[in-house]
Amino acid sequence: DAMVIQNPRYQVTQFGKPVTLSCSQTLNHNVMYWYQQKSSQAPKLLFHYYDKDFNNEADTPDNFQSRRPNTSFCFLDIRSPGLGDAAMYLCATSITRDRVGNEQFFGPGTRLTVL
Amino acid sequence: AQRVTQPEKLLSVFKGAPVELKCNYSYSGSPELFWYVQYSRQRLQLLLRHISRESIKGFTADLNKGETSFHLKKPFAQEEDSAMYYCALSALKGAGGTSYGKLTFGQGTILTVHP
Repeated sequence: DAMVIQNPRYQVTQFGKPVTLSCSQTLNHNVMYWYQQKSSQAPKLLFHYYDKDFNNEADTPDNFQSRRPNTSFCFLDIRSPGLGDAAMYLCATSITRDRVGNEQFFGPGTRLTVL
Repeated sequence: AQRVTQPEKLLSVFKGAPVELKCNYSYSGSPELFWYVQYSRQRLQLLLRHISRESIKGFTADLNKGETSFHLKKPFAQEEDSAMYYCALSALKGAGGTSYGKLTFGQGTILTVHP
């Protein structure tokens, strides 16, 4: 089945130690999104790629970076994780971003713990 | 700025009772509204979108621009409807460089349907 895959499902890192989360998709979608969801809060968009075009949200901390080496893969890099970065990180894809009623397809998420 | 409000964190009903999950939004432009659902141990997935004016799993939602609401309704709740429900708004075109197709989520409502 075509889908969005996130690895690992659970990631534990130490305070200040760089960590990379991975997302891959078999849907061949043009757009890939990264959301952060803290406990009992709404998912919040960090950034997205439209093909190779990177779009950062204005309030996304510089500590968060992303790479999209090809259509299928997208990575979230946290350069120096703090305790406040512990959250569920959701990857999503969509065919495009400027179509009415555009659906986003979500991965299962990676739960990040910072010790 | 876009904002989505779901006033109820928790909603409990009995099987067969009507259910309404409330959603209000704030957006100066023309919004696209969605309901996403997350069943236990499953990924976030689209339930329905206002543009389609469809009924999915017995659920309907009508966009009321006057009241800026997009409430989700079902006349007879089933136990399998128990899940987390998120209302989301997408700004198709943003001013000042905001993201096209960006989803802004509400806090979510946990619906529990008792037998």
